[in-house]
Amino acid sequence: AQSVAQPEDQVNVAEGNPLTVKCTYSVSGNPYLFWYVQYPNRGLQFLLKYITGDNLVKGSYGFEAEFNKSQTSFHLKKPSALVSDSALYFCAVREGWSATNKLIFGTGTLLAVQP
Amino acid sequence: SQTIHQWPATLVQPVGSPLSLECTVEGTSNPNLYWYRQAAGRGLQLLFYSVGIGQISSEVPQNLSASRPQDRQFILSSKKLLLSDSGFYLCAWSGDRESSYEQYFGPGTRLTVT
Repeated sequence: AQSVAQPEDQVNVAEGNPLTVKCTYSVSGNPYLFWYVQYPNRGLQFLLKYITGDNLVKGSYGFEAEFNKSQTSFHLKKPSALVSDSALYFCAVREGWSATNKLIFGTGTLLAVQP
Repeated sequence: SQTIHQWPATLVQPVGSPLSLECTVEGTSNPNLYWYRQAAGRGLQLLFYSVGIGQISSEVPQNLSASRPQDRQFILSSKKLLLSDSGFYLCAWSGDRESSYEQYFGPGTRLTVT
């Protein structure tokens, strides 16, 4: 069965420093992977996805993610963090090949960027 | 472009009262639709999903039900609310085509059961 793990409940980083939010996955077959961001009392916003192709995927707000098949990871990265990046981040994997497009979400990582 | 609406934005209801939350999508046709609940501001729990009008699949047996009376309308209901129904309810849609896998979320409804 497909699953994702976000091993860190919270990540703290200083403004201007690079940030990484970790995600590992377990799938049977090719993985379809996603990152979402959620600001307080708001819905989730889609950041980026990996379906196939280049291992480095670029998304919204300067974020990127690196797909690593051997390590079954899909870490979210940004070269220089902003205070406004502080939010809850979710990694997700598509469940199988069903047309339902169901996603399995990780438990979320709270990113706190200190000024 | 596509947009997704949810209302109401916030709701405070007493235990035992009925519930109706509405979600509508604009700018697309035949979307897949989803209801999630987020408790304690963290994990997402998929409650229901629908691949077409009148087609509802339940993920977790509970006090809630869902209906899809129109192609782009998804309703979450309860006949009698429980305290444990409190949470942040999110509706989402995705395309039914193979090229569109991601889900797009609405702004959410904050439900407090007192």
